[in-house]
Amino acid sequence: DGGITQSPKYLFRKEGQNVTLSCEQNLNHDAMYWYRQDPGQGLRLIYYSQIVNDFQKGDIAEGYSVSREKKESFPLTVTSAQKNPTAFYLCASSSPAGQNTEAFFGQGTRLTVV
Amino acid sequence: AQSVTQLGSHVSVSEGALVLLRCNYSSSVPPYLFWYVQYPNQGLQLLLKYTSAATLVKGINGFEAEFKKSETSFHLTKPSAHMSDAAEYFCAVKKASNTGKLIFGQGTTLQVKP
Repeated sequence: DGGITQSPKYLFRKEGQNVTLSCEQNLNHDAMYWYRQDPGQGLRLIYYSQIVNDFQKGDIAEGYSVSREKKESFPLTVTSAQKNPTAFYLCASSSPAGQNTEAFFGQGTRLTVV
Repeated sequence: AQSVTQLGSHVSVSEGALVLLRCNYSSSVPPYLFWYVQYPNQGLQLLLKYTSAATLVKGINGFEAEFKKSETSFHLTKPSAHMSDAAEYFCAVKKASNTGKLIFGQGTTLQVKP
């Protein structure tokens, strides 16, 4: 079955640690996105990538980093510079990016700082 | 800048009653429009999307939305609410460009009372 897989589903991080959230898709989509979800704030775009080896900052990129070495993978690293990382993180993909095509979402990763 | 506004962060209806979730967008050019549903601790699932082929769009689970350019609105409706419709609903707009970024509203939590 085609889809987007995020792992892990739950992640706990100690303060000062970097953690990496995995996102893999087998939909052959060119574009991939990372969103952060906080209660009452909807979804906010962290980073997006339209093609392999290229990515752009979204609205809240500070404290995060990404890579796009393969078409099917778009991992997100939450660095120690992110002041308030506790949130629900959603990965999405779509193709082609510029047309009326919807984004498909993974099941999310809930990150908690302990 | 494009934005989307969902009026009402919480909507409560009785089972069998009409569901109306409001969404207004700001754009000089009609964007691509989407409604997504999210169940607790899950990703987003597409309900429907505006394709410009018809102003009244039918989606899954009995939902539909009407695009009204004069009102810059894309409200979501369902004639008769079911308990299983209780979830969070997001309206989203997508620029007609090559980035494919989705801009989300704040979300509306739908409560269905027995």
